[in-house]
Amino acid sequence: KQEVTQIPAALSVPEGENLVLNCSFTDSAIYNLQWFRQDPGKGLTSLLLIQSSQREQTSGRLNASLDKSSGRSTLYIAASQPGDSATYLCAVSNSGYALNFGKGTSLLVTP
Amino acid sequence: ETGVTQTPRHLVMGMTNKKSLKCEQHLGHNAMYWYKQSAKKPLELMFVYNFKEQTENNSVPSRFSPECPNSSHLFLHLHTLQPEDSALYLCASSLGTLQAGNEQFFGPGTRLTVL
Repeated sequence: KQEVTQIPAALSVPEGENLVLNCSFTDSAIYNLQWFRQDPGKGLTSLLLIQSSQREQTSGRLNASLDKSSGRSTLYIAASQPGDSATYLCAVSNSGYALNFGKGTSLLVTP
Repeated sequence: ETGVTQTPRHLVMGMTNKKSLKCEQHLGHNAMYWYKQSAKKPLELMFVYNFKEQTENNSVPSRFSPECPNSSHLFLHLHTLQPEDSALYLCASSLGTLQAGNEQFFGPGTRLTVL
């Protein structure tokens, strides 16, 4: 059974810092990996999708990398802003439809 | 309306009530999903429908009954729930399978409280 772990569980940084969120998974036979953002009590917003054949994806200040063989992904956020405060979720797919989620990293960016 | 919408956004019900959650997607997708998000636990997949046919039932108790009348609408019928069923219920959709490289898009969720 696929297990997804996200470290750290919580992170607090001052505005302007660059930061890295980590995701690891136990079964490397994945189709793709998705990073999501979730604001308190709200749904999920898709940030980046990395296919199994890709090494990284970029969107604005976000960069996600994938090392499938070692079962790891990182989400890099450049020049963090208070509006980046949210929970960041990593999810991997091993089957046609199911996404396996980690518990998330709760990020607080202070002004 | 665009994207994935869910109604109601908040629901409080007693253990003997019957209620339904509704999800609608305006993305032209063919697959729809129900997820449960409980405090301190990862999101759990409950049901998957592809072209209106149920393709996955992740060992969900029968007090949760899904219905998918067409590719744009998905319902979750609730009856005789337990307090531990209180959670955020999220609906999602995708054009096709994850294997084919499709993203899942999520709705805002229904916050359910069972008294």
